[in-house]
Amino acid sequence: DSGVTQTPKHLITATGQRVTLRCSPRSGDLSVYWYQQSLDQGLQFLIQYYNGEERAKGNILERFSAQQFPDLHSELNLSSLELGDSALYFCASSVAGGLVNEQFFGPGTRLTVL
Amino acid sequence: QQPVQSPQAVILREGEDAVINCSSSKALYSVHWYRQKHGEAPVFLMILLKGGEQKGHEKISASFNEKKQQSSLYLTASQLSYSGTYFCGTARSIDKVIFGPGTSLSVIP
Repeated sequence: DSGVTQTPKHLITATGQRVTLRCSPRSGDLSVYWYQQSLDQGLQFLIQYYNGEERAKGNILERFSAQQFPDLHSELNLSSLELGDSALYFCASSVAGGLVNEQFFGPGTRLTVL
Repeated sequence: QQPVQSPQAVILREGEDAVINCSSSKALYSVHWYRQKHGEAPVFLMILLKGGEQKGHEKISASFNEKKQQSSLYLTASQLSYSGTYFCGTARSIDKVIFGPGTSLSVIP
């Protein structure tokens, strides 16, 4: 158990819908990262927050947005969902920046878009 | 810019050694290694920093050639528990770690 929690574990929805994925980092960690992993694919970095502020951005679609709240939990919002958005979404946290600190990954949220 | 990993996949017998390589075309500040078992989340193995500092597991070794922007992960005397997909992540600027496509490692009895 990494100490990072993600809810829900599974999510099944239809195309065009909007969903919110939630992540609670390890106690004391200030950074939260979001990754997308499609079937048998690598980890695609989406976005990172540090202490409430956006710190780094990856290949995140305009239909996707995220935020980190004062209690440090983070939410990833996915809208106008398409079939290709079906994937495993991981949240990770680290004590500070990711340049020199290990990331602890949550169990992931599996999103299925029908 | 996603790092390149090689090989794409490797099958070993217990006790054999393996090397997984990771390279980037850009100057790197750090290289990160993670292992992901099927159906599970990635787990941290090691970070190699520019300048030679390493942070990670004692039983796994790795190297980072700063001049060539290459890193290698050395798995010696492999065990069944080593099976999984190994990802290298490279960092050039603050906080952004970009992961490679992964190397699938299977250890058989």
